[in-house]
Amino acid sequence: DSGVTQTPKHLITATGQRVTLRCSPRSGDLSVYWYQQSLDQGLQFLIQYYNGEERAKGNILERFSAQQFPDLHSELNLSSLELGDSALYFCASSGRLGSYTFGSGTRLTVV
Amino acid sequence: AQSVTQPDIHITVSEGASLELRCNYSYGATPYLFWYVQSPGQGLQLLLKYFSGDTLVQGIKGFEAEFKRSQSSFNLRKPSVHWSDAAEYFCAVGGILTGGGNKLTFGTGTQLKVEL
Repeated sequence: DSGVTQTPKHLITATGQRVTLRCSPRSGDLSVYWYQQSLDQGLQFLIQYYNGEERAKGNILERFSAQQFPDLHSELNLSSLELGDSALYFCASSGRLGSYTFGSGTRLTVV
Repeated sequence: AQSVTQPDIHITVSEGASLELRCNYSYGATPYLFWYVQSPGQGLQLLLKYFSGDTLVQGIKGFEAEFKRSQSSFNLRKPSVHWSDAAEYFCAVGGILTGGGNKLTFGTGTQLKVEL
């Protein structure tokens, strides 16, 4: 157990739908990062939050949004889903010493 | 912009043989460098990281990596590979960490196959 918890582990949904992925960071870590891993794009950085505030944005689509709550857990919202959004979505957290720890991921399948 | 190149998409080695996985990075400041391993259907496990100091870094599972600033490289090595090392390996670079942290940029990965 890495200490970073992601739920659900698997998600199957239809095109056009909206889903929410959840991440609980490792205890004490203030930063949360979201990554998307697909066969054609590899591991792509989506967005980072630090203590509730957005800190960095990567190649995140406008249909996607995220937030970090006061208890530091984070949610990634994916809407108007397309077949191409099927991927593994990873959350990572880091603390002051900068060690990134990844969760086991959520596998999203859009049908 | 930061980037990472892993020139070898696939590598096959025999069990017991030595291993070197190549990683070259591009970053405009002092890089923080990482190697992760991913087994099929699993998350990313940190093997080792380099922030500063000794350029030869020891990690878990008998892996080590050497930071060579002049070559912009951070190659991963293991003296004797075990069948359980078969997995995909990712090199990543990040920036100088502030209180807010920083994103990691990953290479495309190297798939390691171990022949018995």
